[in-house]
Formats: sequence, C-alpha cells, structure tokens
Amino acid sequence: SQQGEEDPQALSIQEGENATMNCSYKTSINNLQWYRQNSGRGLVHLILIRSNEREKHSGRLRVTLDTSKKSSSLLITASRAADTASYFCATGRNTGTASKLTFGTGTRLQVTL
Amino acid sequence: ETGVTQTPRHLVMGMTNKKSLKCEQHLGHNAMYWYKQSAKKPLELMFVYSLEERVENNSVPSRFSPECPNSSHLFLHLHTLQPEDSALYLCASSPGAGELFFGEGSRLTVL
Repeated sequence: SQQGEEDPQALSIQEGENATMNCSYKTSINNLQWYRQNSGRGLVHLILIRSNEREKHSGRLRVTLDTSKKSSSLLITASRAADTASYFCATGRNTGTASKLTFGTGTRLQVTL
Repeated sequence: ETGVTQTPRHLVMGMTNKKSLKCEQHLGHNAMYWYKQSAKKPLELMFVYSLEERVENNSVPSRFSPECPNSSHLFLHLHTLQPEDSALYLCASSPGAGELFFGEGSRLTVL
C-alpha cells in the first residue's frame, strides 16, 4: 500500500508558533499532496510536490519531500487560529487521465489564542 | 465554494431503503471520484471515473453502485446498506492527474 502515515496524530500550539507535520509512505510515487479539512467539511488542496522536487513554498506553507526516506513534511509558519483543522498527506499515482490518491489518517492541528 | 456540489448533505436511511447521492461539478473536469471517510480511518477511494468510464473500483461491495451519465455528474446509488456504511461520502473532481477538488460531502447514517 502507498498509504501515508502522518505524525503526530494531534498537535496543539499557540498562535504565532510554527507547526510541523510529517508524512511517511511505502512505495514509489508520482507526487505527494497535502490537504486540509475543517471539521465535517470537504478537503481543500494546499500544495502538490512532484517526485523530482525537494521543496516547495506557498504563502506560509513549506513542503519538503525526501524520496530516499519516503517522507514529507508540511510546515505552517506563524500559525493562526484559523489554521485549526485536520491535515492530510496523499500519495499520488497517475493513470494519465485521473489521479488516484491514497490518503493518510491525518494530523489534527489546534491553534489556540 | 469549490465548484463541486454534493446533495443531500445529510441522509438517514434504513437498511432496506434505496437512496442516491448526487455530485455535480462546474469546473469542466474530466475525472470524478467517490471517497468514503469513516471515523479514525484514512479516506478510502471507492470509484474513479475518467471521461465517463470507470477506471477504478476498489473492491467496493455491490450495495454501492456508481453511475456517471456525463462528465459533470456522478451518482452513488445505495441499497440494503449496513450500519457500518455510515460515514461521510466525499465526491471530488480533477482536470486529469494532479490535485483534487472536493465537495462538502454527504453525511450518511444507516439505522
């Protein structure tokens, strides 16, 4: 299985601090994606990093990918209360016309004032 | 608003009922997906449709029957479900390979 495993399962920080979440997976991938989910809602795509990339930035988000260790990390800098959500990594294998993602169990992030 | 609309948002049904979940995307995407999200379990990919053809069926029980009449609409027909089928069912679409755009989900409770 390519299933991603996020670590930690839960993280509680104060506003302004940085949050780091890690993801490990088992097999080779085309890309790795991070998603965010507010409680009971749909998932929202945050960032995609391809297997030949090592680091990517988007606003306050920084993602790294180490294919030799089969791991990725998501860093949220200067966190805000609105960042409170569950974060999922998903490993992608493409069929050319569709994207088949395998998700992990997620990290629940709580940002307090 | 992601451009993917799911109805109904909540559904309660008995084990002998037949119901359907509907998904509509307004993004012009070619691929559509059904995922199941249960408590404390990873999202499970159920079905993938690409250009209206089913390209993935992850050993889903036959009591779940997908239908993709065109590239904008996806249905999940439900019949004789079990209580363990209670979950959040998420529809998504994509322009091909790459990121998925999810709907808000349909919360299903089977009594």
